[in-house]
Amino acid sequence: AQSVTQLGSHVSVSEGALVLLRCNYSSSVPPYLFWYVQYPNQGLQLLLKYTTGATLVKGINGFEAEFKKSETSFHLTKPSAHMSDAAEYFCAVSEHAGGTSYGKLTFGQGTILTVHP
Amino acid sequence: DAGVIQSPRHEVTEMGQEVTLRCKPISGHDYLFWYRQTMMRGLELLIYFNNNVPIDDSGMPEDRFSAKMPNASFSTLKIQPSEPRDSAVYFCASTTGTPRGNQPQHFGDGTRLSIL
Repeated sequence: AQSVTQLGSHVSVSEGALVLLRCNYSSSVPPYLFWYVQYPNQGLQLLLKYTTGATLVKGINGFEAEFKKSETSFHLTKPSAHMSDAAEYFCAVSEHAGGTSYGKLTFGQGTILTVHP
Repeated sequence: DAGVIQSPRHEVTEMGQEVTLRCKPISGHDYLFWYRQTMMRGLELLIYFNNNVPIDDSGMPEDRFSAKMPNASFSTLKIQPSEPRDSAVYFCASTTGTPRGNQPQHFGDGTRLSIL
């Protein structure tokens, strides 16, 4: 079974400050990891994903995340927050499945990011 | 390219009524997912299809919920009869499948359902 824990349901930063959203996962096999962003009254939009290869992954809007196997973490960062980054962020893990079965996504509970002027 | 299209965007109805939510996946995508999002439970996977066939419906809460995918470009999620606790935002998502599950899912904008 797989699970995702996002530490902190709310994170507040000042504009221009570092953004750090924490995600830890549990998986019995090497995971595929995703970060999604949800703006009000919209669906989820993919920010970035880790599958294999380089552990530092760059995504859209200046976000990046680092896969750390030893820490079972996939924290999301952005060096300088913009007002437009205010949204809810979801970490998700994809389950490996044998044969032709598709891996289901398991989502964390989400972190609401607030950016102050 | 058109994204995942859901309709209606908002639905308000009275308890006991039948509710039908609709989804058009991205053309060429062979996997379709239905999710429910609430404050209390977050994002829950209800059911997903591969090539129009339901693969896993273990997340469907009760027999009042049913989903169909009559063809590759259309799916419905039906609630009959509806109850106030069904109030939530329902999302549809689609993707192309690989055995390793490493393709991201593309989400629609959701249907905000309120049962009075």
